[in-house]
Amino acid sequence: NAGVMQNPRHLVRRRGQEARLRCSPMKGHSHVYWYRQLPEEGLKFMVYLQKENIIDESGMPKERFSAEFPKEGPSILRIQQVVRGDSAAYFCASSPRTDLNSPLHFGNGTRLTVT
Amino acid sequence: QRVTQPEKLLSVFKGAPVELKCNYSYSGSPELFWYVQYSRQRLQLLLRHISRESIKGFTADLNKGETSFHLKKPFAQEEDSAMYYCALKGLSDSNYQLIWGAGTKLIIKP
Repeated sequence: NAGVMQNPRHLVRRRGQEARLRCSPMKGHSHVYWYRQLPEEGLKFMVYLQKENIIDESGMPKERFSAEFPKEGPSILRIQQVVRGDSAAYFCASSPRTDLNSPLHFGNGTRLTVT
Repeated sequence: QRVTQPEKLLSVFKGAPVELKCNYSYSGSPELFWYVQYSRQRLQLLLRHISRESIKGFTADLNKGETSFHLKKPFAQEEDSAMYYCALKGLSDSNYQLIWGAGTKLIIKP
């Protein structure tokens, strides 16, 4: 099992462009979570998705950010019209279930740099 | 609700004791965790206070009076060099709802 796979590892975008970050969960996991880590800060929860459904998006900025987890294929975090403040590491995690003690398995992250 | 790791960087010699500090503020009863990220590896759970376990020689005790959950190891090894994150959640929260500290980079000098 290759674990949670995120790509790309590094992404450079100019202000105003779109950024697409991909996350393939571990085999057998149907729950995906996205986190953002700004420089010198801890991880902050953004969104929790189950196949084709957004379960909790309480940490997602209301504008320019969207996430999906289609029936087939990876989960996508999409940031439109990126700004310098979007520069951060974006981590994805997956779990096999959503009970209170379900362990999280993290990907290596995507480091987004906006120039 | 906050987790504070006051040290961005901690550097100790191999064989010396290590203590990574974690303080928290939380209105209810929290569950505390330590996560570790070794170089070029994924973030992974190191230990949780509920389990009262020792992993790779590390222990952490929840001190509710001082609202702390410091991570300790009596004799550091070079392979302990990594980023360490303290995190907490409410007892009724799911793991994805963890509140994270900013992390401490631990460097073990030979």
